[in-house]
Amino acid sequence: ELKVEQNPLFLSMQEGKNYTIYCNYSTTSDRLYWYRQDPGKSLESLFVLLSNGAVKQEGRLMASLDTKARLSTLHITAAVHDLSATYFCAVYYGNKLVFGAGTILRVKS
Amino acid sequence: DSGVTQTPKHLITATGQRVTLRCSPRSGDLSVYWYQQSLDQGLQFLIQYYNGEERAKGNILERFSAQQFPDLHSELNLSSLELGDSALYFCASSVGSGSPYEQFFGPGTRLTVL
Repeated sequence: ELKVEQNPLFLSMQEGKNYTIYCNYSTTSDRLYWYRQDPGKSLESLFVLLSNGAVKQEGRLMASLDTKARLSTLHITAAVHDLSATYFCAVYYGNKLVFGAGTILRVKS
Repeated sequence: DSGVTQTPKHLITATGQRVTLRCSPRSGDLSVYWYQQSLDQGLQFLIQYYNGEERAKGNILERFSAQQFPDLHSELNLSSLELGDSALYFCASSVGSGSPYEQFFGPGTRLTVL
């Protein structure tokens, strides 16, 4: 059974700082997704990573995928308050998306 | 706004009852997925339909069932409700089936079982 682990589960950052969220998974897959969820809201698709070495960037967020290491990272550059949310990675395996537990990000000014 | 709609937004009911959650996918999307989000279980995939046919099944209880209609909207039926069924239920849609198609999530239905 596929396990998807995110760390940290909670991250408190200062504005302007950089940090990385890690997503490890237990079984080979080359399909990984990142989502953002604001409190009480739905999930917003951030990135779709479909091959080993894939790197995608949008604003202050950059995601990458290393399928050999079974690892994806979500890098935050120069954090701003608006990035405060819960971030989920999800791995596609066995005809379904398996989600990590989520990383709660709080950006403090 | 993802273009996926779900009704109702909130539902409060009692144990033992039955409810139906409704989802309309984005225009042009043929796949519908149902997910359950709770504090103790996190986000879990329940079931997927593609153009009216069941395509994938996750951790869906036997008390739960779903279907996708010819107009592509989908309904999730939850019966013999228990306290533990209280959760946020999301519907998502995509143009194709499974990977690599991006899934777009609806606003969710918050179910409270008293």
